[in-house]
Amino acid sequence: QKEVEQNSGPLSVPEGAIASLNCTYSDRGSQSFFWYRQYSGKSPELIMSIYSNGDKEDGRFTAQLNKASQYVSLLIRDSQPSDSATYLCAVNPANDYKLSFGAGTTVTVRA
Amino acid sequence: GAVVSQHPSWVICKSGTSVKIECRSLDFQATTMFWYRQFPKQSLMLMATSNEGSKATYEQGVEKDKFLINHASLTLSTLTVTSAHPEDSSFYICSARIHTGETQYFGPGTRLLVL
Repeated sequence: QKEVEQNSGPLSVPEGAIASLNCTYSDRGSQSFFWYRQYSGKSPELIMSIYSNGDKEDGRFTAQLNKASQYVSLLIRDSQPSDSATYLCAVNPANDYKLSFGAGTTVTVRA
Repeated sequence: GAVVSQHPSWVICKSGTSVKIECRSLDFQATTMFWYRQFPKQSLMLMATSNEGSKATYEQGVEKDKFLINHASLTLSTLTVTSAHPEDSSFYICSARIHTGETQYFGPGTRLLVL
C-alpha cells in the first residue's frame, strides 16, 4: 500500500465550478498535511497546510482533514483556467522529517 | 517570506563532466534541505536529505558517490552530479525546511541535460 494516494485524475472542470481533490494516507500517526500546486515544467509551490481536523480556508481554496478516516481533501471554488496544474498531496509521517508525496492529480479548467 | 533559490536554472553539459547545483534559502535558516529529482510526467523522487554540518542521508538506490551533497551553512546546500551521463538528465529540485516546522519550500528547480 502506498503511503499517500490521490485520486488519479485527470480532472476536468468547467470554469467557475468546484474542483474536488482527494488524498488518503496510511500512517495514522501523521500530523502535518500539505497541498502543493505544480505547473507544467515548474517546481511545486505550497498552497495550504493543515494540522487539525476540520476545514481550513484560504481564498478560493479549502483544505479538509479527517484524521480518523485518514483523509485530506482540497476544494478549489470558482475554478479558473490559471488553476490548471498538478496538485500534490504531501504528508509528514509520524517521527519522520521527510514528506511523503502522492502521485498528484492533474486538473484542467476549461474556459 | 520562505524563498528558496536554485542556480543554475538550466545546464547543458557533455557526458563525463561534473555539474554543481546550488540551493539557497534567502530569507530563513534551513537546518534541513532536501534534493528531489523528477522525470517527465513522473512524481517527485526524494534523492537525499542534507542537514547543516553533517553528512547527507541518501535514499535507497541513490549513489552517494555520484550525487555529492554538501550543506556547509544554514542557507546553502549544493548537489554535484559527478561524471554525468545522459540518463542523469532530469529536473532537480531542492527544498528547504524551516527549523521550527515541517513545511518544505521548494526552489525553482534546475534542468540538467547531459549530451
